[in-house]
Amino acid sequence: RKEVEQDPGPFNVPEGATVAFNCTYSNSASQSFFWYRQDCRKEPKLLMSVYSSGNEDGRFTAQLNRASQYISLLIRDSKLSDSATYLCVVNGFDYAGGTSYGKLTFGQGTILTVHP
Amino acid sequence: ETGVTQTPRHLVMGMTNKKSLKCEQHLGHNAMYWYKQSAKKPLELMFVYNFKEQTENNSVPSRFSPECPNSSHLFLHLHTLQPEDSALYLCASSQEATGLAPYEQYFGPGTRLTVT
Repeated sequence: RKEVEQDPGPFNVPEGATVAFNCTYSNSASQSFFWYRQDCRKEPKLLMSVYSSGNEDGRFTAQLNRASQYISLLIRDSKLSDSATYLCVVNGFDYAGGTSYGKLTFGQGTILTVHP
Repeated sequence: ETGVTQTPRHLVMGMTNKKSLKCEQHLGHNAMYWYKQSAKKPLELMFVYNFKEQTENNSVPSRFSPECPNSSHLFLHLHTLQPEDSALYLCASSQEATGLAPYEQYFGPGTRLTVT
């Protein structure tokens, strides 16, 4: 099973639509979660962190279900500028030299295209 | 944005060449990372430096050699690469990479490498 799994899409939606992306993760010890956005041929940029109680930032809502190891991102009133790849990212940890350290694991990404 | 810069942005090199990628972060962070992003694949973590100490070498071939002279600078030295090493190489930084720290990472624009 992949550490972080996303539906790759693509999702093609009209402007103004509501679209939801899902993500599952395999490591139950994971502690923090993020959604990143990556535009074509650009670097990933942090969109929002995901908190246990769910959180909202404008048109974007993120949810976390620890029991099901499931994360979601909801985009309301889609804009043309929302077209991008959305990356689900999970922070776990690994060990090296007797010390634990944090590491991010990225999903493959979900492609969203918003059309007029 | 100039938080994390990378040079060069594009690089074409032959299999017998030696080149270096440079990354610099201006965010006062203590952890820096190298990632590889190939087409249609998730980001692959290559190396992690936390407080200038390398904490992860994710089974990366020795033809990739990282160097972290201080917390602000990170290099990736390349030699005798293969065509399959062609990819986008991304540098990132975070506040630190200790334990379960939920620190988000900030990416540079990447170096698009083509090995001929």
